[in-house]
Order: sequence, then C-alpha cells, then structure tokens
Amino acid sequence: SQKIEQNSEALNIQEGKTATLTCNYTNYSPAYLQWYRQDPGRGPVFLLLIRENEKEKRKERLKVTFDTTLKQSLFHITASQPADSATYLCALDWRGGGATNKLIFGTGTLLAVQP
Amino acid sequence: DVKVTQSSRYLVKRTGEKVFLECVQDMDHENMFWYRQDPGLGLRLIYFSYDVKMKEKGDIPEGYSVSREKKERFSLILESASTNQTSMYLCATPGTGNGYTFGSGTRLTVV
Repeated sequence: SQKIEQNSEALNIQEGKTATLTCNYTNYSPAYLQWYRQDPGRGPVFLLLIRENEKEKRKERLKVTFDTTLKQSLFHITASQPADSATYLCALDWRGGGATNKLIFGTGTLLAVQP
Repeated sequence: DVKVTQSSRYLVKRTGEKVFLECVQDMDHENMFWYRQDPGLGLRLIYFSYDVKMKEKGDIPEGYSVSREKKERFSLILESASTNQTSMYLCATPGTGNGYTFGSGTRLTVV
C-alpha cells in the first residue's frame, strides 16, 4: 500500500534560518502533493500544492520541490520566525479505484523556531 | 473561501453510546471527508462522500457510519462508542487553491 514518511523528530532551528522539511513516499505516483500547517488543537490549514509536472512552487517565504524520480518533496521556509512554529503535514492524492480522489497524509513534522 | 463548521469542539461520551458528529460546509461542494487524528498515526480517512446519499469507505471505517442527506451536511456516526474511538475528528472539503479546507475539529473522549 502507499506510504508517506515525514521525519517524526521535531526540527529545531534558529530564527532567521531556513527550515527544510522532507516528505518521502513509496508505492505510488501521485498527480499532486500538498503541504499543510497545523497548530495544536486546530484543523490543518492548506499552504501549497505542487503537481507532478512541476519541479518547484513558491509562495512568499515558502518553497516546495517535487522530485518524482526520488519520490520526495522538500518544503522550505526561508527567514523563519517563531510564528512559523507548528506541525507541517505532507499529503498525496489517492484514487485507489474509488469514485473520487482523496488525500492521504503523512504523520507530520513539528517545527520549532527559537528566537 | 470555504467555511467548514463542526458542531462541537469537545465531547465526552460514555462507552456504548451512539454519537453523532456533524459537519457543515457553505460552498455546495460534492466531496466531503471525515478523518481522525491520533498521535504518531497522523490523519486517517474514515469515510468520504462524493454526493448526496453517496459514500465510500476510507482506510478505517470499522465502528463508524456516515449520513449525507443534504449536500452541505456530512455526519459521522459512532454506532456504539468505545474507548479506542477517543480521538480528534476532522471534517474536510475541497477549498480554494485546490487544497482541502478543514473544520476546527472535535476532540471526542469516550469514557
């Protein structure tokens, strides 16, 4: 079955540095990949979507890359701030023979930005 | 922007009770999803619906059922609540920018 792996260990970085989070997947070739931010006790919030034919996508201080050969996506936050501290989730679309696409999520990586 | 509203933020129920979790979206979208989220396991798909009265099982449907009588409302039903159904429940629908919009979640505790 399809599997999505994100680093389960928390990532601690200093304010102003670039945070890089990794998402690896196996047994599947998704048409697109998404990244979400989740704060404690809240629902995930959509950040970015990147399609299989796109290598890179940017939005303000965020950058996502998608390497379908390596089956990997990297999520970068440049000039990180303490307010960026949250859990970041990677998600892939999955059809699975059903009536519609649905999203399969990784377990997320907790990012802590120290002032 | 799509707004997804879950009826309760916190619920405490007793083992064996029938529990209803309600979700309402305001964009008339066909697709709606129910996930549960547990530490170390991430979000897991319970059920989803792709139109009124149409539903499909997700990865962990056992112990749950759903109801979609109107397009804007998708209900998750725990037929007989058990302690292993203590979890955070999240409803979602496709939103703007091709991502999903999630509700704020319902933290259910079964005692």
